Amino acid sequence: GAGVSQTPSNKVTEKGKYVELRCDPISGHTALYWYRQSLGQGPEFLIYFQGTGAADDSGLPNDRFFAVRPEGSVSTLKIQRTERGDSAVYLCASSRGTSDTGSEQFFGPGTRLTVL
Amino acid sequence: AQSVTQPDIHITVSEGASLELRCNYSYGATPYLFWYVQSPGQGLQLLLKYFSGDTLVQGIKGFEAEFKRSQSSFNLRKPSVHWSDAAEYFCAVVLSMDSSYKLIFGSGTRLLVRP
Repeated sequence: GAGVSQTPSNKVTEKGKYVELRCDPISGHTALYWYRQSLGQGPEFLIYFQGTGAADDSGLPNDRFFAVRPEGSVSTLKIQRTERGDSAVYLCASSRGTSDTGSEQFFGPGTRLTVL
Repeated sequence: AQSVTQPDIHITVSEGASLELRCNYSYGATPYLFWYVQSPGQGLQLLLKYFSGDTLVQGIKGFEAEFKRSQSSFNLRKPSVHWSDAAEYFCAVVLSMDSSYKLIFGSGTRLLVRP
């Protein structure tokens, strides 16, 4: 079956521009996560959706970052006024839920964002 | 501060040799514990997880990990490494009281395998 997909796989933009990164979770997965992985580091949590609502956005670094999941499936991570420090791989993951048995997160291949 | 530590940035082993990757965490209570593997161009894949019960956990690809509460450790082991095991390995935790189940990752250990 289809896994988590992310588009685009690579995005190069200029400082100050706006970007959108898309995540298609596994069908039927209600929980969706965004993480950011900088070079040589482990992924860092950004935001968690349960259904359509952002249940935990404590990892968003500032108000330039925003994410939506309007129909409880596809999610878009939006970054305004990009900065060079935003360059990283953005990972999306989904899971069936947040109970012990349903909590395994399945990761997409990521979007590599480069801000020039 | 809460943290996950993987003290080895790189480890090199010969094919067929045994492997142990270290992971320590600092939390007040026992978290849920995970090991993920990331190969070039691939997404993160779950190797194994520990929630409770038997402290020795078996995973995929012949990996196992042992939770040691007294040492706040969850080291990953494999008795005989294959060249295809070369990848980046991440230890991660979920705080058991965190209803979001968000993963907190260590900085990773890159495994190199000598032929």
